[in-house]
Amino acid sequence: GQQLNQSPQSMFIQEGEDVSMNCTSSSIFNTWLWYKQEPGEGPVLLIALYKAGELTSNGRLTAQFGITRKDSFLNISASIPSDVGIYFCAGQPNTGNQFYFGTGTSLTVIP
Amino acid sequence: DAGVIQSPRHEVTEMGQEVTLRCKPISGHDYLFWYRQTMMRGLELLIYFNNNVPIDDSGMPEDRFSAKMPNASFSTLKIQPSEPRDSAVYFCASTARLGYEQYFGPGTRLTVT
Repeated sequence: GQQLNQSPQSMFIQEGEDVSMNCTSSSIFNTWLWYKQEPGEGPVLLIALYKAGELTSNGRLTAQFGITRKDSFLNISASIPSDVGIYFCAGQPNTGNQFYFGTGTSLTVIP
Repeated sequence: DAGVIQSPRHEVTEMGQEVTLRCKPISGHDYLFWYRQTMMRGLELLIYFNNNVPIDDSGMPEDRFSAKMPNASFSTLKIQPSEPRDSAVYFCASTARLGYEQYFGPGTRLTVT
C-alpha cells in the first residue's frame, strides 16, 4: 500500500507555542485530510484539502496542500492544553479510491 | 446531527468466539468504511461499501472476517472465530462522496483473550 511519512512522531511544547507537522508521500495525492484523535475516541476531522496549493484554516489550525501534491502541512498557533492528542494526515492518491493514513504526530502541551 | 454510531464501545471475548461489531452511518452518506487501528499497523482500511454494496474488500485480513450492509443505515463486521491477534480498535466511517471528507465513529475496542 501507499506509504505516508508523517513527522515529527511526537512533540512536547509549552502552552502558547506554535506547532508544525507534515506528511509526505512518494505518490501524487488528490485529497489531504487532517484528523485529531483523543484517547478512547475516533479521529475527528479538522481540515480537508482538495487542490494543490490550497491553504485552509479552522480556528487556530491552518493546513496546506503542497504544490507538488506529494505533501501537506498542519500548523497550530498559540497552542493550548486541549490541543493534546494524536494528529493524523490522510491522503487519497490519484490512483484508487481509498485513503491512506500517516502514523500520527503525538502532541503534548505543557501548561 | 448524529454522527457515526458504533456499538458496542468495548468488547472482551475469548478466542474462538464469534464477535459482531455494528455501525450506523450518518444519514445520507452513501459510502461506509470499516477500519482497524493497531499500534503496529496504524489505521488500515478493511472494506468499504457504496449504496450497501461491498466495493473493495481487499483489506479484509482473512476469511474469518466478513462484513454486511443490509440497508443504508446499518452495517456489521463479524469475526468468526476470533483470535487474540484480532485485538484492536475497529472504526466505522462514512462519507457522502468518495474521495471527500470521511467522518469516523467512536470505535469498538476489541480484546480477544
